[in-house]
Amino acid sequence: GGIITQTPKFLIGQEGQKLTLKCQQNFNHDTMYWYRQDSGKGLRLIYYSITENDLQKGDLSEGYDASREKKSSFSLTVTSAQKNEMAVFLCASSMLGGTNYAEQFFGPGTRLTVL
Amino acid sequence: QQKVQQSPESLSVPEGGMASLNCTSSDRNFQYFWWYRQHSGEGPKALMSIFSDGDKKEGRFTAHLNKASLHVSLHIRDSQPSDSALYFCAASGLSGTYQRFGTGTKLQVVP
Repeated sequence: GGIITQTPKFLIGQEGQKLTLKCQQNFNHDTMYWYRQDSGKGLRLIYYSITENDLQKGDLSEGYDASREKKSSFSLTVTSAQKNEMAVFLCASSMLGGTNYAEQFFGPGTRLTVL
Repeated sequence: QQKVQQSPESLSVPEGGMASLNCTSSDRNFQYFWWYRQHSGEGPKALMSIFSDGDKKEGRFTAHLNKASLHVSLHIRDSQPSDSALYFCAASGLSGTYQRFGTGTKLQVVP
């Protein structure tokens, strides 16, 4: 089995600040994802990456940047933190890049608080 | 607009009872379904997939898919307090699309 590690677990920032969230996976999966989950609600896709150096926008990409530095890591940057985006950010990965009905494996999440 | 709708929003069942959750895709391109479960403070974990019409059973969990109506249901037999969680349906199409998650159903199993 593998594991997805997200750092930090809790992130507190000031309004307008640039903040970076990191994700590492050791499944050797091709595809990685970033989701936002607002207070016990559904998941909305921010960015995904089918392979190293690939980036694809999801439904909620405005206000965010992403970077796939290598196959095992995927970073998400909040370009200017806003109070209405306090949420849990979930990273996930799946095998079979481009085959999007594959099972996704999730990390434990990063909880973002904006002061 | 929400492509994947789930109902009910929340559900309470007694321990040992049957829980039934529903999910419908509004886009005919999205007809491959997964069910995920998320316990409080954790990331979602996949329960089961269903890609063909009919029933699929895994232990106490049975999924049913009707491709004509793009409706999938999840039935949990002999519900346990540990089944209390948020349940998500995710739908996707062929290669070139990505999974869309529903808004979730919060299940509470009461001892």
